[in-house]
Amino acid sequence: SSELTQDPAVSVALGQTVRITCHGDSLRRYYPSWYQQKPGQAPRLVNYGRNNRPSGIPDRISASYSGNTASLTITGAQAEDEADYYCNSRDSIGHHIVFGGGTKLTVL
Amino acid sequence: QVQLQESGPGLVKPSETLSLTCSVFGGSVTGGSFYWTWIRQPPQKGLEWIGYIDYSGNTNYLSSLKSRLTISRDTSNNQFSLRLTSVTAADTAVYYCARGYYSGYDKIDVWGQGTLVTVSS
Repeated sequence: SSELTQDPAVSVALGQTVRITCHGDSLRRYYPSWYQQKPGQAPRLVNYGRNNRPSGIPDRISASYSGNTASLTITGAQAEDEADYYCNSRDSIGHHIVFGGGTKLTVL
Repeated sequence: QVQLQESGPGLVKPSETLSLTCSVFGGSVTGGSFYWTWIRQPPQKGLEWIGYIDYSGNTNYLSSLKSRLTISRDTSNNQFSLRLTSVTAADTAVYYCARGYYSGYDKIDVWGQGTLVTVSS
């Protein structure tokens, strides 16, 4: 079982804003990262640390965190944002890497 | 730009050993402060971190796999490898190799395309 918990599925209307959340006690100590995975593709890093975006990731994708909850916000969702999203951090003692169970985002 | 490529058998029999290699292009397995990691994804399921070997050769394995798992590197060929013994159907997954960096957070920024390994007789 994962130490990071995500909602299995979320939907958003085209052009609207959606928040994908990740819960876990280790988030109180370790910053999260977020990955986007489209069908048949490898995951892609979309945000890491304190809301940092790799080159090529649009600024409509942002991250925040508070307490034991991390959030990935997509402002003005586009069709190409439809994907699975995974949060990632460390376990409670900081030794092992853990992933959340993933959230399937549907853009309506 | 760093690129990774997995290679290895796509079919392994139960109780046998799964072996995969990741070739690193455009970077060095001994360079920087990176770690080189394996992550797997069973069909229709989420991502599971398996383990890594860092730039200095230190390893870190998922506890539940530790007794069956070895991650090693070949610095002369700039590759790192996964060896998982006594496999069962539960080890069927797409296996990804990737590069990571830790600085209070894990930044896994380069991924291979993934390779499907099926455990079946």
